[in-house]
Amino acid sequence: QKEVEQNSGPLSVPEGAIASLNCTYSDRGSQSFFWYRQYSGKSPELIMSIYSNGDKEDGRFTAQLNKASQYVSLLIRDSQPSDSATYLCAVNGGTSYDKVIFGPGTSLSVIP
Amino acid sequence: GAVVSQHPSWVICKSGTSVKIECRSLDFQATTMFWYRQFPKQSLMLMATSNEGSKATYEQGVEKDKFLINHASLTLSTLTVTSAHPEDSSFYICSAYPGQGIGIQYFGAGTRLSVL
Repeated sequence: QKEVEQNSGPLSVPEGAIASLNCTYSDRGSQSFFWYRQYSGKSPELIMSIYSNGDKEDGRFTAQLNKASQYVSLLIRDSQPSDSATYLCAVNGGTSYDKVIFGPGTSLSVIP
Repeated sequence: GAVVSQHPSWVICKSGTSVKIECRSLDFQATTMFWYRQFPKQSLMLMATSNEGSKATYEQGVEKDKFLINHASLTLSTLTVTSAHPEDSSFYICSAYPGQGIGIQYFGAGTRLSVL
């Protein structure tokens, strides 16, 4: 069983719409959850981190965490073409403070 | 903010040669550094974890004699791809953990390696 799973996509949304990205994880001991954005040919860029159940908002981005369901999501409001990228979900392994496990990523395409 | 510098950004080498990639934390001390490899349209694959002054811990399936990692100081880790072959061509990315926060990592810009 994969430890962090995401829909591979591609996910296509029209400009201005809400993009919803989902991630599930297997380790119930995980404590930290991250969303990274990666443009083609570039390294990942951290856009959101969340540590407790509920919602966390930062500008157009909202991360949602449900530890009971082992589920974390990312909502992007008012999607822009510049949001077109691969979004990686990363989860702290639970047994160490430094290591994270990355999901396979979801490719998002925002259509003008 | 925390900055991680990775060099070179792009390297082409002949088959059989060795290539060294440097990863430096510029404004913080990194207790742990990570090396990832990413093939086209795939996610990051953790290759190894390095801690200053100790041997690196390699993930299953990663040849430690081929991918030499040295973490000589709290701000510098190097990855040497020895006797490179075309199948080693990939995007190599380092990241650094600042020693606080759970799971926080700062990424370098990555190195694209092409082996001819």
